[in-house]
Amino acid sequence: AQTVTQSQPEMSVQEAETVTLSCTYDTSESNYYLFWYKQPPSRQMILVIRQEAYKQQNATENRFSVNFQKAAKSFSLKISDSQLGDTAMYFCAFMTPNTDKLIFGTGTRLQVFP
Amino acid sequence: EADIYQTPRYLVIGTGKKITLECSQTMGHDKMYWYQQDPGMELHLIHYSYGVNSTEKGDLSSESTVSRIRTEHFPLTLESARPSHTSQYLCASRKDRGYGYTFGSGTRLTVV
Repeated sequence: AQTVTQSQPEMSVQEAETVTLSCTYDTSESNYYLFWYKQPPSRQMILVIRQEAYKQQNATENRFSVNFQKAAKSFSLKISDSQLGDTAMYFCAFMTPNTDKLIFGTGTRLQVFP
Repeated sequence: EADIYQTPRYLVIGTGKKITLECSQTMGHDKMYWYQQDPGMELHLIHYSYGVNSTEKGDLSSESTVSRIRTEHFPLTLESARPSHTSQYLCASRKDRGYGYTFGSGTRLTVV
């Protein structure tokens, strides 16, 4: 079975600092996609960043970047220059072309302090 | 601005009532999904659709039903609501494989 594990239920960081959220996954597939989603309190879930497994280069989107280690099945999210608006639940998610369904981790609640 | 719309945003309803949660998208996506998000924030797929007249049950057993008569519309119905149905329900749609989902704002349902 394919699973996604986020081992940090809660994290906190001071404004302007850098924080890294961890995610590991388990699959026997070689081709798949990985995602990080952000869900602010009482607001819509939005896609932060995506990574295609066959691409070795780590994806980046402005202050958000990933460290994708395919052999270790690890997909961590780094948030640089943290802002108060980054406070949210962050979900790591996984999809294979065969299943066509997103599998989510249990989420990490990130609090950014002034 | 969201291209996928869910109504109502919040709903409090008595046990035994029939309810329909609405979900519409204007992006022309064929694939649509319903997730249930429990109080611990875990997300569970309960229904999905690959297009008109296509509906499938997800990984989590649910007493709800769905229909897909039009591409843009994917409503979820509970024939007889129970307190165990209290949860947040998220609707999503997908463009192409690998692009992830676009989510609606969710419906927070409370059954009393």
